[in-house]
Amino acid sequence: DAGITQSPRHKVTETGTPVTLRCHQTENHRYMYWYRQDPGHGLRLIHYSYGVKDTDKGEVSDGYSVSRSKTEDFLLTLESATSSQTSVYFCAISLGQAFTGELFFGEGSRLTVL
Amino acid sequence: AQKITQTQPGMFVQEKEAVTLDCTYDTSDPSYGLFWYKQPSSGEMIFLIYQGSYDQQNATEGRYSLNFQKARKSANLVISASQLGDSAMYFCAMRELPYNNNDMRFGAGTRLTVKP
Repeated sequence: DAGITQSPRHKVTETGTPVTLRCHQTENHRYMYWYRQDPGHGLRLIHYSYGVKDTDKGEVSDGYSVSRSKTEDFLLTLESATSSQTSVYFCAISLGQAFTGELFFGEGSRLTVL
Repeated sequence: AQKITQTQPGMFVQEKEAVTLDCTYDTSDPSYGLFWYKQPSSGEMIFLIYQGSYDQQNATEGRYSLNFQKARKSANLVISASQLGDSAMYFCAMRELPYNNNDMRFGAGTRLTVKP
């Protein structure tokens, strides 16, 4: 158990509204990631963080922003949600260079944008 | 850019039989890792097995083994003695070294159904 929790787990919202998803970890890991999962695409990286206030873009970052003001929390924000952002969002952590690179995932957050 | 291809959208296997899930990848980097994840209907992503590009032996973890053919750029997952609980979506993924500086890229997945 990598101690990752995501909230909310389910959310339905309207087009144009802001949405924030939270990822919380309890084990002080440095690297955190946000992925989205869509049928036919597997998982794709949105943004990642390599430390407090250190973030970078992933493959599908348009329309998303992130923040990491504390080691334990990594927030994903959709400033103005669109229907194309309906997806399942996963937060993940990496255990560092000493390990073999696998990611450990949270339970996922299902977002529906109407 | 690296690309992961899983050509089998769905697979069926009889309980207690073995099954192979295909995965091919494309990278120009000689240093990388290959990963398989299982996603049951409950939705969580479960890490199954890892293979490093320089590993001489194929990785094994219990009933899971990874058939790594480097020259062919393939990393097929073999599940022996299938169980009903193996019914799930399976994702192949790759990550180049250094791991924390590089994205983990996923294939589109294969849905495995185990028949009683």
